[in-house]
Amino acid sequence: SQELEQSPQSLIVQEGKNLTINCTSSKTLYGLYWYKQKYGEGLIFLMMLQKGGEEKSHEKITAKLDEKKQQSSLHITASQPSHAGIYLCGALGNFNKFYFGSGTKLNVKP
Amino acid sequence: DVKVTQSSRYLVKRTGEKVFLECVQDMDHENMFWYRQDPGLGLRLIYFSYDVKMKEKGDIPEGYSVSREKKERFSLILESASTNQTSMYLCASSLGWSPGQGSSYEQYFGPGTRLTVT
Repeated sequence: SQELEQSPQSLIVQEGKNLTINCTSSKTLYGLYWYKQKYGEGLIFLMMLQKGGEEKSHEKITAKLDEKKQQSSLHITASQPSHAGIYLCGALGNFNKFYFGSGTKLNVKP
Repeated sequence: DVKVTQSSRYLVKRTGEKVFLECVQDMDHENMFWYRQDPGLGLRLIYFSYDVKMKEKGDIPEGYSVSREKKERFSLILESASTNQTSMYLCASSLGWSPGQGSSYEQYFGPGTRLTVT
């Protein structure tokens, strides 16, 4: 089955610092999705990556998919308290099932 | 904007009760999903549906059933609630499956229902 491993599991950074979250797949990805979840709420779609080497940015968040399409990173530049939450990567696996990583909890200290 | 709504934000039920969780989406999406989210386990797929009256088991369907009589509505049913079904339940919908459709099949999530079974 498709497995997505995220690291780190949790992260505390000082406001203004940069950070990176990683997502590694056991199989080649057809598409890699990044979501953000505020504590106790639903998930918000951030970005999708499909092509090897692809990179997308939205405001201060940049996501990349490696050439082999098995690893993705999410980078936040100059973090702010509004970036706090849980970041999850997701991917479409076999039999049209969608899989998620276990998530990375991010806290940003003012 | 896509809107996915869930019938309750918080729900408390007793062991053995039959529980219905409702999910409605307003964007004519073909696919709908039910997940549960537990600390340390992430999101786990319970059931999904790719068309009206169609359903597929996810990774943890035991103890649950679903119903999709109309395209916009996908219901999750706990036939006899148990304490190990205490969890956050998230509903999602998406447009399509084909990788060729690009971003058309990202999933849109509802706000979640936190269910406590006592």
